[in-house]
Amino acid sequence: GENVEQHPSTLSVQEGDSAVIKCTYSDSASNYFPWYKQELGKRPQLIIDIRSNVGEKKDQRIAVTLNKTAKHFSLHITETQPEDSAVYFCAASLGSNYKLTFGKGTLLTVNP
Amino acid sequence: GAVVSQHPSWVICKSGTSVKIECRSLDFQATTMFWYRQFPKQSLMLMATSNEGSKATYEQGVEKDKFLINHASLTLSTLTVTSAHPEDSSFYICSAGGGGDWTDTQYFGPGTRLTVL
Repeated sequence: GENVEQHPSTLSVQEGDSAVIKCTYSDSASNYFPWYKQELGKRPQLIIDIRSNVGEKKDQRIAVTLNKTAKHFSLHITETQPEDSAVYFCAASLGSNYKLTFGKGTLLTVNP
Repeated sequence: GAVVSQHPSWVICKSGTSVKIECRSLDFQATTMFWYRQFPKQSLMLMATSNEGSKATYEQGVEKDKFLINHASLTLSTLTVTSAHPEDSSFYICSAGGGGDWTDTQYFGPGTRLTVL
């Protein structure tokens, strides 16, 4: 089955700096790659996703890149703010109605 | 956007009792829902895939007789933890696919925190 590795497990940055979280996946058939943000005690919230027919997607300060050949994808957050502090999970899926396989998460701390 | 609700948000029960958790898609129909379990400071662990009108598909290591899943309609799936024990205490979260332009997008419910005494 699919295996998703996520790095780093913790990341601390200064407000205004950029943060990058990287994930690799094992199943070349995976074609959907979402990123979720989870605050303590709350539900994971989808922040951005990318499908395998696209190499990069951007939404304001958040961007995701996908390298299908290397089977890795990354989350980029620019101009970080304290409210970006949370746990971020990457995931991979075969697509519609298929299960998500999650990475182990990255605890991002943005220091004011 | 798509909204998924979950009830109850928290429950405390005595060891040996059963607890039912409901997951509803409020503004879309979900053929498939997923049930996850999350321990503190850990990732989401998929327990089972719930398909409307058919039996759930359980992940390896998950006891299907202990965690009963029913997906009676396109908007409701339930998870029943039978004969709960303290080790079943956890955060249970459901998700549902669809509701937007892409059916592969999954939206999560707010979770249910189960404490078994």
